[in-house]
Amino acid sequence: EAGVAQSPRYKIIEKRQSVAFWCNPISGHATLYWYQQILGQGPKLLIQFQNNGVVDDSQLPKDRFSAERLKGVDSTLKIQPAKLEDSAVYLCASSPQVFVDTDTQYFGPGTRLTVL
Amino acid sequence: AQSVTQLDSHVSVSEGTPVLLRCNYSSSYSPSLFWYVQHPNKGLQLLLKYTSAATLVKGINGFEAEFKKSETSFHLTKPSAHMSDAAEYFCVVSETMDTGRRALTFGSGTRLQVQP
Repeated sequence: EAGVAQSPRYKIIEKRQSVAFWCNPISGHATLYWYQQILGQGPKLLIQFQNNGVVDDSQLPKDRFSAERLKGVDSTLKIQPAKLEDSAVYLCASSPQVFVDTDTQYFGPGTRLTVL
Repeated sequence: AQSVTQLDSHVSVSEGTPVLLRCNYSSSYSPSLFWYVQHPNKGLQLLLKYTSAATLVKGINGFEAEFKKSETSFHLTKPSAHMSDAAEYFCVVSETMDTGRRALTFGSGTRLQVQP
């Protein structure tokens, strides 16, 4: 079974530029998550999709971050414009079910973003 | 609101000695609890999860954790550390709300170092 794929793996940009990350979840997984992991901290949930609908985006800085999940499969996360404090690893995860508290999340390798 | 506290940011043990990584949580409901491991430049991998079926949970690679409701703890243990156990470990609490929103909170992580 193929895992969660993310690209690019690394990205370096100047502040105020735009950047986009892509995630392909495990086939058939209903729920998709985007996390931000700042160095030395645990991942923080940014947004959660169930199929192609947003369930929770309460921690997404909507003035600069946006995300979509096309046809309930792939997802993109965009930052526009980037700030220095956006430097972090962006993790994508998927899980098979919806409304299930015990559902295991499967994580991708992450995209390391450096904003100069 | 839920929260997770990992009591040690860094733990160092000798190979062959026991491992104890401590986690305390707070939750308004009956949460599900997870331990994930993150090796350098790799994605997060599930070690084990508590789903209320049994308070002592066995995971992969010889790890286990015990859910203690009275102490609101979910400590991770292993009888004998191996060099390959050196990594970052995250305790996670999960609750699914009526709306389907899944509230997931990661601890700040414990870095395990294993000395030869």
